[in-house]
Amino acid sequence: DIQMTQSPSSLSASVGDRVTITCRASQSISSNLNWYQQKPGKAPKLLIYAASSLQSGVPSRFSGSGSGTDFTLTISSLQPEDFAAYYCQQSYSTPYTFGQGTKLEIK
Amino acid sequence: QVHLQESGPGLVKPSETLSLTCIVSGGSVSSGNYYWSWIRQPPGKGLEWIGYIYYSGSTNYNPSLKSRVTISVDTSMNQFSLKLNPVTAADTAVYYCARVSPTGSNYYYYYYMDVWGKGTTVTVSS
Repeated sequence: DIQMTQSPSSLSASVGDRVTITCRASQSISSNLNWYQQKPGKAPKLLIYAASSLQSGVPSRFSGSGSGTDFTLTISSLQPEDFAAYYCQQSYSTPYTFGQGTKLEIK
Repeated sequence: QVHLQESGPGLVKPSETLSLTCIVSGGSVSSGNYYWSWIRQPPGKGLEWIGYIYYSGSTNYNPSLKSRVTISVDTSMNQFSLKLNPVTAADTAVYYCARVSPTGSNYYYYYYMDVWGKGTTVTVSS
């Protein structure tokens, strides 16, 4: 199985901050990397697919980059509704695997 | 717009069978473009992919669960289902169904889960 490691596991930030979350794969996954946002009690929501493509309806302050083994999710200017958990997921091979998550909290 | 809705018992006894159904509305499970997947999330923990099915019935399971999992599709009812047997307390989780969509060209596709159900909580307890 491909292991996905996110850092940090938790992060405190303020509204308006620029935030970056990283995700590392245990082997090269090309650009087969997706990012999801999950709020408490809700299902995950797709933000970014294929490493850098913005899902329809997702604000442009979210962006993704990377290929191979190292990826980043950047939120350019945090909004109050962005405080949530974020997960990366590889779809290069099955079983699909997720990172352990990054919890973004209000400072 | 496609919507997914999970249904099934919220309480299952240890050693018995967990059975869930995902009803697809606003689209067809028979569309050849998509796979239909199950994912779960134990309380306070991360996400685990269980497996997916194609409308033809072809399946792909997580090896960690493969001996206990069956995913099936009913195109006439526009739904797909999950069975997990036998269950233990470790199978207590929120179970989500999701659509796996492709994007790409030239025979290379990227896959992502773009539509999710709201999730259903299953507790395994006697």
